[in-house]
Amino acid sequence: DAKTTQPTSMDCAEGRAANLPCNHSTISGNEYVYWYRQIHSQGPQYIIHGLKNNETNEMASLIITEDRKSSTLILPHATLRDTAVYYCIVRVRGNDMRFGAGTRLTVKP
Amino acid sequence: GAVVSQHPSWVICKSGTSVKIECRSLDFQATTMFWYRQFPKQSLMLMATSNEGSKATYEQGVEKDKFLINHASLTLSTLTVTSAHPEDSSFYICSAREGLETQYFGPGTRLLVL
Repeated sequence: DAKTTQPTSMDCAEGRAANLPCNHSTISGNEYVYWYRQIHSQGPQYIIHGLKNNETNEMASLIITEDRKSSTLILPHATLRDTAVYYCIVRVRGNDMRFGAGTRLTVKP
Repeated sequence: GAVVSQHPSWVICKSGTSVKIECRSLDFQATTMFWYRQFPKQSLMLMATSNEGSKATYEQGVEKDKFLINHASLTLSTLTVTSAHPEDSSFYICSAREGLETQYFGPGTRLLVL
């Protein structure tokens, strides 16, 4: 599966949109982009995934660039409970999830 | 979303004893289950993958005789840490998947070996 690069940490003001970037320049055509988050001392929580098209669900939006070499996870109105480590994982459907270091998002009041 | 549970959430044991952790998929059939380990301030590391009814496949460096995995049904997998030592103290997280679909994770089990 392709490697991903994420910023180590980010801050966001409560109520504002949090935009978390992820680079995956070596992604191949059959690899999906998945996002998970891990709140302190809990198991990872699935957020969203996509292949080519932008995706939206009740938690977040996923924007994938046309060349698929990068993506952005958008939390439209961040709350303090969104403080967590966010993981971007690129994976062929059916492969296991391998976690990098992720981005530590801190939402501040 | 799909729900995965783990039991216990916390366990403290003496060095040399064995500890069993259960992982259950509550609302789907987990054809594949995964076990991860996470040390403080580190990311999750995959330990092993198991398909229902088959032997687990272990990642390099993970001792299969020390970490016994059983995936005997489509809703239950167990991880037994045999002869636990203080260096086995960690956060153990299971994950489950139906077919090729998304992996869902349990809440984790914190193991402390004294």
